[in-house]
Amino acid sequence: DTAVSQTPKYLVTQMGNDKSIKCEQNLGHDTMYWYKQDSKKFLKIMFSYNNKELIINETVPNRFSPKSPDKAHLNLHINSLELGDSAVYFCASSPRTGLSGSSYNEQFFGPGTRLTVL
Amino acid sequence: AQSVTQLDSQVPVFEEAPVELRCNYSSSVSVYLFWYVQYPNQGLQLLLKYLSGSTLVKGINGFEAEFNKSQTSFHLRKPSVHISDTAEYFCAVSGRGMNTGFQKLVFGTGTRLLVSP
Repeated sequence: DTAVSQTPKYLVTQMGNDKSIKCEQNLGHDTMYWYKQDSKKFLKIMFSYNNKELIINETVPNRFSPKSPDKAHLNLHINSLELGDSAVYFCASSPRTGLSGSSYNEQFFGPGTRLTVL
Repeated sequence: AQSVTQLDSQVPVFEEAPVELRCNYSSSVSVYLFWYVQYPNQGLQLLLKYLSGSTLVKGINGFEAEFNKSQTSFHLRKPSVHISDTAEYFCAVSGRGMNTGFQKLVFGTGTRLLVSP
């Protein structure tokens, strides 16, 4: 069973288009994340949601809009795609820390979506 | 704020040789430390983590790491590598004392381990 899944795995599109990447987790976690990995493999967090509420929003262009219809899903919509948006986007999930008494909860990553903007 | 430095972008090594991948961090608060591995065209998998207690942490696939607070380091080691260990390795840090319960992982730039026969 796939714990954190993303669709599509590959996405090739033209500059200026609007596209979405979907993420689903079946782990029962409360918190979900989006990370961007650039061509130099550098990984940086973009957003985090807890129970459908935005809790982390790094300095990301407002062309990127995350949407969480329920706590098992966190989708990423990107408007007016630019060449610099080409990257691998990873979704991750974790239980919320603090409520269960544990000091840290592991983040589980999806397989990634490779976005290429031409 | 936290930051992570992985000085080696690539480490070539022969099969069955020992390896050490270096990681240094900076933080104004106590931290949790992690090593993740990324195999080609795959997502990230947690190798090991340091939360508290013993400074020597053992992980999966025979890897271990040692937390050194005075040197602000968390180097990853394996006594004998296999071809299948070829992958990208990421060190990451998360700050403690975040009472909101929401954690932000800050990653290093990664080290590519290349194991050859």
